[in-house]
Amino acid sequence: EADIYQTPRYLVIGTGKKITLECSQTMGHDKMYWYQQDPGMELHLIHYSYGVNSTEKGDLSSESTVSRIRTEHFPLTLESARPSHTSQYLCASSEFGGSGEQFFGPGTRLTVL
Amino acid sequence: AQKVTQAQTEISVVEKEDVTLDCVYETRDTTYYLFWYKQPPSGELVFLIRRNSFDEQNEISGRYSWNFQKSTSSFNFTITASQVVDSAVYFCALSEVPGGGADGLTFGKGTHLIIQP
Repeated sequence: EADIYQTPRYLVIGTGKKITLECSQTMGHDKMYWYQQDPGMELHLIHYSYGVNSTEKGDLSSESTVSRIRTEHFPLTLESARPSHTSQYLCASSEFGGSGEQFFGPGTRLTVL
Repeated sequence: AQKVTQAQTEISVVEKEDVTLDCVYETRDTTYYLFWYKQPPSGELVFLIRRNSFDEQNEISGRYSWNFQKSTSSFNFTITASQVVDSAVYFCALSEVPGGGADGLTFGKGTHLIIQP
């Protein structure tokens, strides 16, 4: 069973606030990802990481930033939230040398008022 | 570049009907992996199946079955005797490189399946 966690599950916040979405995995996976998804719509990759101190931007441009100081932790930060950031954010991880299967966290539903 | 097409945006059937979700993919590699994920209303993505390009055997798991045909670049998913709990968005995905390429999986846009009681 996949062990990947995201907090908070739901977040409602005002415009201009700084927020950090947490993602942790206990599987020792080197690769981690962040996806942005509007409800029921396609997934857009916004950030990924190959390992500690590695961060890359994905296909969809995002104003968020990420860091990877520890293997198990891949937080996403928005310095100044805006209503256009309202979405679901899904974190995932996978191992090198495997099939590419990604294990997903439960997601964070962010609403910016 | 790889691409996954799920042409059916939404399917609505009555409970107990069989339903097939289509997935067509494009890749230049001979080695690749295909996946199906389920996303219920709660939002998490649930892994259903993984197939590698060298294994064209169809697979059955309970009411679920998958038909992989390399000749048509398709990896279709059938639910037999559908149930209301099957209502979800289903995503087909492709990985060209073992372990995932630079950007991991390529997802289709998803098919929203509605099972009416």
